[in-house]
Amino acid sequence: RKEVEQDPGPFNVPEGATVAFNCTYSNSASQSFFWYRQDCRKEPKLLMSVYSSGNEDGRFTAQLNRASQYISLLIRDSKLSDSATYLCVVTANQAGTALIFGKGTTLSVSS
Amino acid sequence: DTAVSQTPKYLVTQMGNDKSIKCEQNLGHDTMYWYKQDSKKFLKIMFSYNNKELIINETVPNRFSPKSPDKAHLNLHINSLELGDSAVYFCASSHVAANTGELFFGEGSRLTVL
Repeated sequence: RKEVEQDPGPFNVPEGATVAFNCTYSNSASQSFFWYRQDCRKEPKLLMSVYSSGNEDGRFTAQLNRASQYISLLIRDSKLSDSATYLCVVTANQAGTALIFGKGTTLSVSS
Repeated sequence: DTAVSQTPKYLVTQMGNDKSIKCEQNLGHDTMYWYKQDSKKFLKIMFSYNNKELIINETVPNRFSPKSPDKAHLNLHINSLELGDSAVYFCASSHVAANTGELFFGEGSRLTVL
């Protein structure tokens, strides 16, 4: 079983749509969870951390279900600039010195 | 000023050659990493150094040898390059003690082995 699995993409949506990405992780000892964003031919950048109680940052909402080892990202009112690959990331050790990345889900927002 | 800089950005070389990629961070972070992103876009950790000490060494051929002369630098040397080594190599750094989980990546070094 892969350590971090994500929805296969690509997701093609019109501007203004709401889109949700799912992710599951295999290591029940993982302590911290994140969503990163990677634009085409660029480096990944942190989008947001994911907290147990769920958290929101503008149009982005992240949820965590530790029992199911499941993480989600919801994007409301999609913009053209949201087009990118979204990477689900979990820590592999307690020290937090190893981040394990999912393969990513590609989002394409069109006008 | 670029926070994490790696050189070269592009590298095209023949099979069997030896090459190095350099990485420097000016963020004062205590931990540095090398990740490999292959043609299928899968980003996989290779090495992690904390305060110049190797703490993670994933299953990577021993043709790959990281070197950390100080906390701000982590270089990657690759011997006897193979076709399968073609990928984008990302250097990253983080401040583990801050526990934010934020990695700061360099722009990547695109290696093509012919």
